[in-house]
Amino acid sequence: GQSLEQPSEVTAVEGAIVQINCTYQTSGFYGLSWYQQHDGGAPTFLSYNALDGLEETGRFSSFLSRSDSYGYLLLQELQMKDSASYFCAVRAMDSNYQLIWGAGTKLIIKP
Amino acid sequence: EAGVVQSPRYKIIEKKQPVAFWCNPISGHNTLYWYLQNLGQGPELLIRYENEEAVDDSQLPKDRFSAERLKGVDSTLKIQPAELGDSAVYLCASSPRGLAGGGDEQFFGPGTRLTVL
Repeated sequence: GQSLEQPSEVTAVEGAIVQINCTYQTSGFYGLSWYQQHDGGAPTFLSYNALDGLEETGRFSSFLSRSDSYGYLLLQELQMKDSASYFCAVRAMDSNYQLIWGAGTKLIIKP
Repeated sequence: EAGVVQSPRYKIIEKKQPVAFWCNPISGHNTLYWYLQNLGQGPELLIRYENEEAVDDSQLPKDRFSAERLKGVDSTLKIQPAELGDSAVYLCASSPRGLAGGGDEQFFGPGTRLTVL
C-alpha cells in the first residue's frame, strides 16, 4: 500500500523561510502535489512535481527527489496569511492514479 | 469565472436519516471528484467521474452511499441512512482534464459540513 508522512505542525516567524517535508511510499509514482487549506476553507492547489528538481512559483517552491521518495515545500518571506495547513498528495499506480493525501502540516506563523 | 459550488454548506441530521449534497463544477471541467475530509486529516476520495461515467468508486461505501452525475455536469452525493461516523466535511472538486492530461490541479468547492447526531 501507499503512505505519506509529513510533520503535523511547524512554527515559524513572519518574514522567515520554512520548509515542509513529505516522504512517501508507493508503487508506480506519477507525481507529487501540494495544496494549501485555511481553517474552514477549501484546499487550493500550490504546485505539482513529476520530475526531480525545484519548481518555483513566487514565494513558494516545491522540490522532488524520486530516488529518495521525498519532496518539500519551501515558503519564503512568510506572511501571517500563510498560516494554514499544507498537504502533500501523491498520484501513483497503486492508487489507481488517484491523489492520496497526507494528513497535513499545520503551519503556525508568529509575528 | 465562477468556482465550484456546493450546497448546503452545513447540515445537521439525526442518525438513520437520509442526506444529500449537491455540486456544480466549474464550467467545462469534465472530471468531478467527491472527497470526505475528517478533522485533522487529508481528503479521501469517494468517487471520481469522467463526464457522466463513474470511473473510480472503489472507496465509496455502496451500502449507504450513492452518487450520480446526470448529463455530465452537476452531481449529487447521497447517504442513506446516515451514521454517527459519517460526520465530516464533504468536498467536491473538478478539473479540466482527466488523469491522462498531466498536471494535477483540482479546484475545490467550499464543502458541506455534515453533523450526524
